[in-house]
Amino acid sequence: DAGITQSPRHKVTETGTPVTLRCHQTENHRYMYWYRQDPGHGLRLIHYSYGVKDTDKGEVSDGYSVSRSKTEDFLLTLESATSSQTSVYFCATTGTGGDEQYFGPGTRLTVT
Amino acid sequence: TQLLEQSPQFLSIQEGENLTVYCNSSSVFSSLQWYRQEPGEGPVLLVTVVTGGEVKKLKRLTFQFGDARKDSSLHITAAQPGDTGLYLCAGEDKASGTYKYIFGTGTRLKVLA
Repeated sequence: DAGITQSPRHKVTETGTPVTLRCHQTENHRYMYWYRQDPGHGLRLIHYSYGVKDTDKGEVSDGYSVSRSKTEDFLLTLESATSSQTSVYFCATTGTGGDEQYFGPGTRLTVT
Repeated sequence: TQLLEQSPQFLSIQEGENLTVYCNSSSVFSSLQWYRQEPGEGPVLLVTVVTGGEVKKLKRLTFQFGDARKDSSLHITAAQPGDTGLYLCAGEDKASGTYKYIFGTGTRLKVLA
């Protein structure tokens, strides 16, 4: 257990509104990730971070941005939410050994 | 683009039966992980395999990494209702130069009592 919390756990928002999801970790892990999980697609990487202020795009990054100003926090922002961004979002971390990813409990986001 | 395909997608079996889940790719991975995910929770790591041909056992679960490190299998012996869940494989994308992972589409297992 890497002490990963996500907030909020559930959110319903309207199309066109900005949304920010927060991931907080207590293990001082260097790497942090945001995934979305949709039926039939498994987990798909949105963005990841390999250090403070060091981030890169994943396979489904369009419409999302991230920021990491502190080791423990990784924020995911949907600038203008769309219905296609309705999903369950998971944050994960990996330590320097890279052998395991630790996942948060997820955020269920519904865009109406 | 690296892809990991899992089969079957869904599996419903009776308690006590054996089953195998497959994770296949045309790409080589430096390591491969298996996770189990229960409803409303994040995935939890079961095992990591690193060496081609490696076999690891976790109680009634046996994991194998293909010789060419392109595929893996998970075999469950005498399945129990507690094995019910979503099983995910994930390969480490070494080409990215950082710890980045590609996930398979998942196998949803239901074990009936």
